[in-house]
Amino acid sequence: KAGVTQTPRYLIKTRGQQVTLSCSPISGHRSVSWYQQTPGQGLQFLFEYFSETQRNKGNFPGRFSGRQFSNSRSEMNVSTLELGDSALYLCASGPGTPPYEQYFGPGTRLTVT
Amino acid sequence: GNSVTQMEGPVTLSEEAFLTINCTYTATGYPSLFWYVQYPGEGLQLLLKATKADDKGSNKGFEATYRKETTSFHLEKGSVQVSDSAVYFCALSDKDNFNKFYFGSGTKLNVKP
Repeated sequence: KAGVTQTPRYLIKTRGQQVTLSCSPISGHRSVSWYQQTPGQGLQFLFEYFSETQRNKGNFPGRFSGRQFSNSRSEMNVSTLELGDSALYLCASGPGTPPYEQYFGPGTRLTVT
Repeated sequence: GNSVTQMEGPVTLSEEAFLTINCTYTATGYPSLFWYVQYPGEGLQLLLKATKADDKGSNKGFEATYRKETTSFHLEKGSVQVSDSAVYFCALSDKDNFNKFYFGSGTKLNVKP
């Protein structure tokens, strides 16, 4: 089975721009979660989608949004980028039913200048 | 609420030494527990899991036992190798809140030849 794929792997954007990151889950997985990883804050949960519905949300501003398509692929969007948004963004997929487990992609490294 | 606490790193060991990385958790229900490993420049890989009290997860020589009485899930390995050098994350999933995961801050392991 192919693993979780994320595109692009690296991205450089300028403050004020917006960005869209993409995640393709493992075949058959219906849940996709997004995380932000930074050296200072560690792994922080952004949101989780299950069958195209946002089921869980972390404590991030509204500039961070996401969606999930009928084929379970997911996108994450960040508008009005700030320097502090520079991070590794990780996507994880899972069955979305007990016993819950998640499988991570390699991440997208976003640098905001 | 739910939270995971890991021992501070980095942990530096010589090859073939015994490894313990402590992990304790706080949960309102009966979570599933996980250990993930992250190698430089990569996403997180699921190392092992346990879904109920007294379960032992094991993989690649690593083990962890779900101890409800001490709310712990310590990671152990009898003989570490240089290739085990990575960051290890303890995590729990809240069964009552679908797929929401809580991660510890990570423990960096350095193994010297």
